[in-house]
Amino acid sequence: EVQLLVSGGGLVQPGGSLRLSCAASGFTFSTYAMSWVRQTPGKGLEWVSVISNSGGRTFYGDSVKGRFTISRDNSKNTLYLQMNSLRVEDTAVYYCATVNQLLMYYFEYWGRGTLVTVSS
Amino acid sequence: SYVLTQPPSVSVAPGKTARITCGGNNIGTKSVHWYQQKPGQAPVVFIYYDSDRPSGIPERFSGSTSGNTATLTISRVEAGDEADYYCQVWDTTTAHPVFGGGTKLTVL
Repeated sequence: EVQLLVSGGGLVQPGGSLRLSCAASGFTFSTYAMSWVRQTPGKGLEWVSVISNSGGRTFYGDSVKGRFTISRDNSKNTLYLQMNSLRVEDTAVYYCATVNQLLMYYFEYWGRGTLVTVSS
Repeated sequence: SYVLTQPPSVSVAPGKTARITCGGNNIGTKSVHWYQQKPGQAPVVFIYYDSDRPSGIPERFSGSTSGNTATLTISRVEAGDEADYYCQVWDTTTAHPVFGGGTKLTVL
C-alpha cells in the first residue's frame, strides 16, 4: 500500500522559513517523480513544484519560484520542500503526491497534507 | 494561463445521475483528470486521461470531453459520493498542471 506521510507544517511569521517532509513507503520511491500541491480555502488546489525521480530536474509554480526548493533523498525515501521568505498567501494545506511522469502528468497518490500558517 | 471553470455546486437525488462539468478553451484537445476529495482528506484520482479509472474506482464514474467541456458523470449516485470534485489538465503554455475551482456534490 502506498503511503505518503507529510510533516513539518506549523505556524511561521511572514518572512520566515519552514521545511516540509514527505516520507514514502509501499512503492519504489526512486522510480517516481514527486510533486507538492497546496490547497487554500479561497483558491482551491494549486500546484507548487515537481521533481524528477533522480532529483536532477525540478519545476516550480510562478508564485513560489525563487522562494521554495524541492528536493529528495532516495536513500531515505523522503521528499522535501524548503520554503523561504514565506508570505501570508502561502498559508495552505500542503500535500505531496506521486506523479505518473515528469511532464503532462496527473497526481496518482496523495499524502494527507500538513497545514502551514503564515501569520504574525 | 489556462483557466478551468467548474460550477461551485451540483445537487442530485440518490439513484440519479450527476454530471459535473469542467470548462476550458478547447479542453477536448487536452487530457483531463478528475479527483474526489472528502472533508479532511487528501484528493483521490477517480478518472485519468479523460476516461480511465484507477483500480477500485466504481464503474459508475466515467469521464468524457468534447469541445470546450469535460464532464464527470456519476451514475446511480450514492450518499457516499458526496464530496468535492476537481478537474485538472496540463497547461501547454506554462508547462504546468492546472486545477479547476472544484464542485461540491450534494446528495439530496
